[in-house]
Amino acid sequence: DAKTTQPPSMDCAEGRAANLPCNHSTISGNEYVYWYRQIHSQGPQYIIHGLKNNETNEMASLIITEDRKSSTLILPHATLRDTAVYYCIVRVFNQAGTALIFGKGTTLSVSS
Amino acid sequence: DVKVTQSSRYLVKRTGEKVFLECVQDMDHENMFWYRQDPGLGLRLIYFSYDVKMKEKGDIPEGYSVSREKKERFSLILESASTNQTSMYLCASSLGSSGRTEAFFGQGTRLTVV
Repeated sequence: DAKTTQPPSMDCAEGRAANLPCNHSTISGNEYVYWYRQIHSQGPQYIIHGLKNNETNEMASLIITEDRKSSTLILPHATLRDTAVYYCIVRVFNQAGTALIFGKGTTLSVSS
Repeated sequence: DVKVTQSSRYLVKRTGEKVFLECVQDMDHENMFWYRQDPGLGLRLIYFSYDVKMKEKGDIPEGYSVSREKKERFSLILESASTNQTSMYLCASSLGSSGRTEAFFGQGTRLTVV
C-alpha cells in the first residue's frame, strides 16, 4: 500500500484559500488519490479524488504533481465550517475489493 | 443520496458481553467496511467485505468477527467485549472493486465497555 504523509495541523483565516499538502511518493500507476474530511462527531465525508489530472468540484480542487508523488487539496474560500480533519488517501486496489486505509490526517482550523 | 445507517449512536455494554453492531446501506454497494477510531490513532480498518458472505481482515481484526448474509447489511461482532474495545465504530460502503468510487460513511457508534 502506498503511504501518505500529511502535516498534523494547519491554520487558515476565514475567506482565504486553504492549501493542504500530501506526499505519496510510493504511489502506483493505477492508484488514485482521494481526499476525505471528518468534522467533529461525524463520519468522514468524501471530497474529491484524482488519478493524474487536476480535478475541481463544488467543494475543492485537487492538484496532483506530474510525477504523482504529491498532491494539494485547495479549499478556495475557507469558512468556519471547513474546520475538520482532512485525510489524504491512496486507494488500494486488489482482486477482492478495495479498502480505504486512513492515516492521521491534517487538522485544519479555520478562524475568523 | 446514499445512506449508511448504523443501528445505534451510543451503546454501553458490560465486559464479556457479546455485542452486535449493525450497519445497513441502501445503494446496492458491493463493498462494506468497519473501522474503529481512537484519539491519536486515527481510523483503523477492522474488516471489510466485497460481496455477500465474503470478508477480508483489515489491520486490527483481533477480537472481532463480521457477518454479511445480505448485500445491504454488514454486522460487526464483539464475541466477548473488553474495555479496550471502547471506541467509536464507523461503517462505510462503496461500489464495486474499481478504484474510482468513493466510500460513504455512517454517523458512527460510540461503544463504551464497562
